[in-house]
Amino acid sequence: AQSVTQPDIHITVSEGASLELRCNYSYGATPYLFWYVQSPGQGLQLLLKYFSGDTLVQGIKGFEAEFKRSQSSFNLRKPSVHWSDAAEYFCAVGTYSSASKIIFGSGTRLSIRP
Amino acid sequence: NAGVTQTPKFRILKIGQSMTLQCTQDMNHNYMYWYRQDPGMGLKLIYYSVGAGITDKGEVPNGYNVSRSTTEDFPLRLELAAPSQTSVYFCASSLEFGPQETQYFGPGTRLLVL
Repeated sequence: AQSVTQPDIHITVSEGASLELRCNYSYGATPYLFWYVQSPGQGLQLLLKYFSGDTLVQGIKGFEAEFKRSQSSFNLRKPSVHWSDAAEYFCAVGTYSSASKIIFGSGTRLSIRP
Repeated sequence: NAGVTQTPKFRILKIGQSMTLQCTQDMNHNYMYWYRQDPGMGLKLIYYSVGAGITDKGEVPNGYNVSRSTTEDFPLRLELAAPSQTSVYFCASSLEFGPQETQYFGPGTRLLVL
């Protein structure tokens, strides 16, 4: 069965430091992969998505993610975080086997140290 | 465009009470979804709709009902509220239906059942 694992429940980084959020997926075919962000009091917003082609995907707010098939990973990165990046981040995989056609990971909460 | 809007933002219910969570989208999307988000968990699909008059169960439908009389509105009804229904509820919509589609989320309704 398809699944998404985000191994880090909570991460704290200093403002200006680099960030990497981990995501591993289980999927038989080439996956559709997403990163969503949920700011406090807000709904989920799409950061970026990968379907095919270049394995390094650029998103909004300076985020990027790299698809690595050999590692079944789709890690999210940002070279320098800002206090406004504090939020919950969800990795997700699109799948035909789910009614909603998408399965979400459990999320990683990002805190920013001033 | 307002996107996806949800009301109320927060509600406290007593056990056995009922309520309706409202969801409206102004993007003319045919596909709409209700999710619940429990602490430390990914989003779970409750119900979804592929168009006015057509709804279907998701992963966790028990204790909930939905209707879709218009393209814009997709209310979620809780009958006989139970503490297990304490959660954050998100409504979402998408233009098309499939694993590659971006879903657009409302800001959520936080529900506490005591």
